[in-house]
Amino acid sequence: DTAVSQTPKYLVTQMGNDKSIKCEQNLGHDTMYWYKQDSKKFLKIMFSYNNKELIINETVPNRFSPKSPDKAHLNLHINSLELGDSAVYFCASSPGQGSSNEQYFGPGTRLTVT
Amino acid sequence: QKEVEQNSGPLSVPEGAIASLNCTYSDRGSQSFFWYRQYSGKSPELIMSIYSNGDKEDGRFTAQLNKASQYVSLLIRDSQPSDSATYLCAGGGSGGSYIPTFGRGTSLIVHP
Repeated sequence: DTAVSQTPKYLVTQMGNDKSIKCEQNLGHDTMYWYKQDSKKFLKIMFSYNNKELIINETVPNRFSPKSPDKAHLNLHINSLELGDSAVYFCASSPGQGSSNEQYFGPGTRLTVT
Repeated sequence: QKEVEQNSGPLSVPEGAIASLNCTYSDRGSQSFFWYRQYSGKSPELIMSIYSNGDKEDGRFTAQLNKASQYVSLLIRDSQPSDSATYLCAGGGSGGSYIPTFGRGTSLIVHP
């Protein structure tokens, strides 16, 4: 059974389009995250939800909007896609929101904006 | 700006040698540190966590934490070609201010 899953795995789209990425975890964790990993492999947190509540919202353009319908799901919607949005987006989950919590990552979604 | 810094490498070691990966952090409030391994084209995978000063061993891996020096390291004994990957160090602030912060990763190459 996949612990943290994401769909789609690959996403190729044109500038200006709107797209969504979905994430689900079956670990029973309370906290979920979205990360962006750029071409230089730098992994940077974008958002975090704890029990459906937004707890981390880093400096991200407001074209990016997360949504957590329940604590097992965290989706990411991106409006008006730009070339610079091309990256790999990872979803992750952890048991809680504190600093002692280890994170488990999904397989990633490779987004290419042309 | 809270930062976690790593040498990007690549660090090249022969098979069977000890690989030593290092990481420094800027936030003295950081309580917990993690090492993740990321193979090319794959997602990060947790391999070690450490919360207290000193050493923590798990199989061929030993994590070391020195809070006074704000320094974290990962030693891989008897390195194997399958250990070739990028190793990410992660930490963050404490309690409610915890924001996971990753280093840029060190590329490790273990050659036969």
